[in-house]
Amino acid sequence: NAGVMQNPRHLVRRRGQEARLRCSPMKGHSHVYWYRQLPEEGLKFMVYLQKENIIDESGMPKERFSAEFPKEGPSILRIQQVVRGDSAAYFCASSPSPDPYNEQFFGPGTRLTVL
Amino acid sequence: AQSVAQPEDQVNVAEGNPLTVKCTYSVSGNPYLFWYVQYPNRGLQFLLKYITGDNLVKGSYGFEAEFNKSQTSFHLKKPSALVSDSALYFCAVSKNTGFQKLVFGTGTRLLVSP
Repeated sequence: NAGVMQNPRHLVRRRGQEARLRCSPMKGHSHVYWYRQLPEEGLKFMVYLQKENIIDESGMPKERFSAEFPKEGPSILRIQQVVRGDSAAYFCASSPSPDPYNEQFFGPGTRLTVL
Repeated sequence: AQSVAQPEDQVNVAEGNPLTVKCTYSVSGNPYLFWYVQYPNRGLQFLLKYITGDNLVKGSYGFEAEFNKSQTSFHLKKPSALVSDSALYFCAVSKNTGFQKLVFGTGTRLLVSP
């Protein structure tokens, strides 16, 4: 049973370009969470999605950031017109249900560097 | 609002000695508490969780944690540290209602010396 997969593992973008991060949850998991980790900080919740629905995006910046989890295919976190402050590690996690007692399973992360 | 505090940026311990990584939390209602470990350039790995019941929970790799409601703490412990335990440890809390929304502490770096 493959774990949570994220790609690319490393992404370099110039200011103003778009970054597209992909996440494939564990088999059988239909709940996906995105987190951002700035250097020397903990993970900050960004968005929670179920298939085809955004459930909670309270941690995601209103401008330039969007997320989707289509019926088919991976979840996508999209950052438009990237700025240097977007440089961070972005982690995706999945769980089999939304129940708060379930542990989340994390992917290896995508490390975004904005030049 | 939920919050987690990990008061130590780094904990140093000699191999074979017991280790403790501290965590305190704030949440309305009863908490669900989690410990995760992160190795360099890797994602987080689940270690253990407290949901209800026995205050002492046991997890992976010989780790355990004690839930203390009166002190709102959930310290991570291991009786005998290994060099391979050196990593970044995160405590997280979730409310026990609604969907899971983890709030993480800032992490504690554990360094176990030979």
